[in-house]
Order: sequence, then C-alpha cells, then structure tokens
Amino acid sequence: GQNIDQPTEMTATEGAIVQINCTYQTSGFNGLFWYQQHAGEAPTFLSYNVLDGLEEKGRFSSFLSRSKGYSYLLLKELQMKDSASYLCAVRVPSNDYKLSFGAGTTVTVRA
Amino acid sequence: DGGITQSPKYLFRKEGQNVTLSCEQNLNHDAMYWYRQDPGQGLRLIYYSQIVNDFQKGDIAEGYSVSREKKESFPLTVTSAQKNPTAFYLCASSPDYSSYEQYFGPGTRLTVT
Repeated sequence: GQNIDQPTEMTATEGAIVQINCTYQTSGFNGLFWYQQHAGEAPTFLSYNVLDGLEEKGRFSSFLSRSKGYSYLLLKELQMKDSASYLCAVRVPSNDYKLSFGAGTTVTVRA
Repeated sequence: DGGITQSPKYLFRKEGQNVTLSCEQNLNHDAMYWYRQDPGQGLRLIYYSQIVNDFQKGDIAEGYSVSREKKESFPLTVTSAQKNPTAFYLCASSPDYSSYEQYFGPGTRLTVT
C-alpha cells in the first residue's frame, strides 16, 4: 500500500509562516499534490510538484525532494482565512494514476 | 458555469436502507471518482471510472455500488451492507485518468441512524 504521513495539527499566529511537512513511501511516483479544505467543504487544489525543487504561488510555496520522499507546503503571511485542513496526496502511475491521500493537517491561525 | 454538483448537501437515512448519492459534472471530463472522508482521516477512494460504461473498485468498495451510464453522471449507492456508512462523501472528476488535477464537488454528508 501507499504510506503518506503529515502532522495532525499546527497552530500559528496571523502574519506568521507555517511549514507543513509530508513524507511518503509509495510504489512509484508521478506527482505530489497539496489541497486546501475548509471544514465541510470540498478540497481545492493548491499546488502540484513532479520535479525536485520549490514552486511558488503567491503566499503559498511547495517543495519536493523525490530522493527523500519529502514535501512541504509553506504558508506565508498567514491570514485567518488560511485556517483549514491541508491535504497531501501522491499520484502513483502503477496504481492507475490514482491519488493516495494523507490524513490532512489542520492549521489554526490565531489573531 | 462548469462544475460538479452533488445533491443533497445533507442526507439522513435509517439503518438497513440503501441510499443513492448523485454526482453530475458538465466539464466534459472522462474520469470520475468517489471518495469517503471520516474525521481525522484522509480521503479514501471508493470507486472510480476512467470512461463511460466502465468503473473500477477503489480501496474501500465493499458495501457500495456505482454506475456510469452517462459521461456526466456517476451515482454512488450506499447499500445496507456498508457497516459504517455515516461519512462525508466527495465526488471528483478529471479530464482523463492521467490528468494531474482532480476537481471536487461540494460533498454530501450522509448520516445513518
């Protein structure tokens, strides 16, 4: 099976930076995704990494190291609306390109 | 507006009853997916369909059934054989099975008592 680990919860202050780590052990790799999910709502796509390195998109950045089976999502200049669950998912080509999800990290932003 | 619709948002059923959750997309996507989400757990794949008239079991298919008779529709039936049906159900679609992004519907919260 596929194993994807991320911390359960993180708390940070408005305006600060938070880094959410994700480690994975999968039978193959064809990309890592980060989704944001507010409580009771659908996940929304944040980022996609398939090559090593950092991808920056506004206040959000995502990093990937394939050799280490490691990724992180960096949230800068935190806002109250960033309070949500952040899901890490890996796509495995040998598994019909299906996504395997981690349990999600709940980020709480405090004033 | 293009998108994925799931209805209803909240659904209540008595134990022992089958219930069908709807999922419709007007994005002209070939691939569609059903996930289940429980508190503290990631999304788990129930069934997926790469193309109309074809579908495959996901990781937790027991107690569920699907059909894919039309490209835009992928209904999920939660049968009485599903031991713990209360959950948040999410439908998703992608242009084809190898596309990198999946688009999610708003979800249906099913409560069975």
